[in-house]
Amino acid sequence: DGGITQSPKYLFRKEGQNVTLSCEQNLNHDAMYWYRQDPGQGLRLIYYSQIVNDFQKGDIAEGYSVSREKKESFPLTVTSAQKNPTAFYLCASSRNPPDNQPQHFGDGTRLSIL
Amino acid sequence: GEDVEQSLFLSVREGDSSVINCTYTDSSSTYLYWYKQEPGAGLQLLTYIFSNMDMKQDQRLTVLLNKKDKHLSLRIADTQTGDSAIYFCAETPPPINTNAGKSTFGDGTTLTVKP
Repeated sequence: DGGITQSPKYLFRKEGQNVTLSCEQNLNHDAMYWYRQDPGQGLRLIYYSQIVNDFQKGDIAEGYSVSREKKESFPLTVTSAQKNPTAFYLCASSRNPPDNQPQHFGDGTRLSIL
Repeated sequence: GEDVEQSLFLSVREGDSSVINCTYTDSSSTYLYWYKQEPGAGLQLLTYIFSNMDMKQDQRLTVLLNKKDKHLSLRIADTQTGDSAIYFCAETPPPINTNAGKSTFGDGTTLTVKP
């Protein structure tokens, strides 16, 4: 079955440490997205990529970095510059326009500070 | 920029109908979506409506679109306790827009279904 897989489900970060969240999809989607969700809040876009080897900043990119070396993979690194990283991180993928573009989501990674 | 607004909470009794409302600002939006999020999980697409439609029905779900007022609603008939979740409304700009492909999400409506 096609889908989008995020790992790990839970992640803990120490002070000054960079951590990387994995996102893999086998839906053959060109576009991939990373969102941050804080308790009781909606989704805020961190980065997105519409094609391999290209990505754009979203609304809250500071303290995060991404790469898109393969169509299937869009890892997110939470750097030590992100001072408040505790949140639920969601990865999504979709077809590019003009097709109908609903986003397919992974099950999320919950990041906490040790 | 684009904005999508929803009321934050809705509580209904099991068996009643639920109506979740959403307003959006981008009149050129092509597709409008409803997603459901259960605790600790990602978002799951429930249904969508194309902007040239005013209604879409899918089993217990009815989506109504008032394009003039930029108002979208999701009606869940015979609401069950398993429908308790957060429901997100989202809109997507048209293909020619520079933001094409990027959806704007509302903050979500938490639906609580009481037995």
